[in-house]
Amino acid sequence: AQSVTQLGSHVSVSEGALVLLRCNYSSSVPPYLFWYVQYPNQGLQLLLKYTTGATLVKGINGFEAEFKKSETSFHLTKPSAHMSDAAEYFCAVSDHASNYQLIWGAGTKLIIKP
Amino acid sequence: DTEVTQTPKHLVMGMTNKKSLKCEQHMGHRAMYWYKQKAKKPPELMFVYSYEKLSINESVPSRFSPECPNSSLLNLHLHALQPEDSALYLCASSQDWDRGGRQPQHFGDGTRLSIL
Repeated sequence: AQSVTQLGSHVSVSEGALVLLRCNYSSSVPPYLFWYVQYPNQGLQLLLKYTTGATLVKGINGFEAEFKKSETSFHLTKPSAHMSDAAEYFCAVSDHASNYQLIWGAGTKLIIKP
Repeated sequence: DTEVTQTPKHLVMGMTNKKSLKCEQHMGHRAMYWYKQKAKKPPELMFVYSYEKLSINESVPSRFSPECPNSSLLNLHLHALQPEDSALYLCASSQDWDRGGRQPQHFGDGTRLSIL
């Protein structure tokens, strides 16, 4: 069965530093890949998605992610962290094996230090 | 501003009460979803409606009863809930229940439910 692993339940970076949130999936067939962000007391907002085509995907708020088939990864990055980026980030995938339902990672809480 | 509107934002109810959660979207989406989210956990899928018909029920207890009156509205009727049902209930929608799984889901801000 498909599974999604987000390395690090908490990631702490200084304001202005690079943000790197890791996501690995288990499927041997490239799935559809998504990153969602959840701010406190809010629902989930789509940051970006990969379905087909260019493997470097740009999203909202300056985030981007790169699909690497050989590494079964879809890591999320942002060159310079801002205080407003503090939130919970979820990686999700869907594929034939999951009947195209979203399979979620456990989430990573991003902490921004001033 | 979210395009999926959920009401109420907060709900406190006793175990014998009957209440309903409401969700509305005006994006013309034909698939709508209910999720349950416990603190510090990812969402868990409960139900999927596609073209106003129930497509998926993830073995949810019968004390949760979904309803889709039309393509823009989704309700979740609650009855005789247990304390462990306390959670954030999220509604989402997508363009349709595309089995290709390519379409992103748009989430509301949720209803925070507390069972006394």
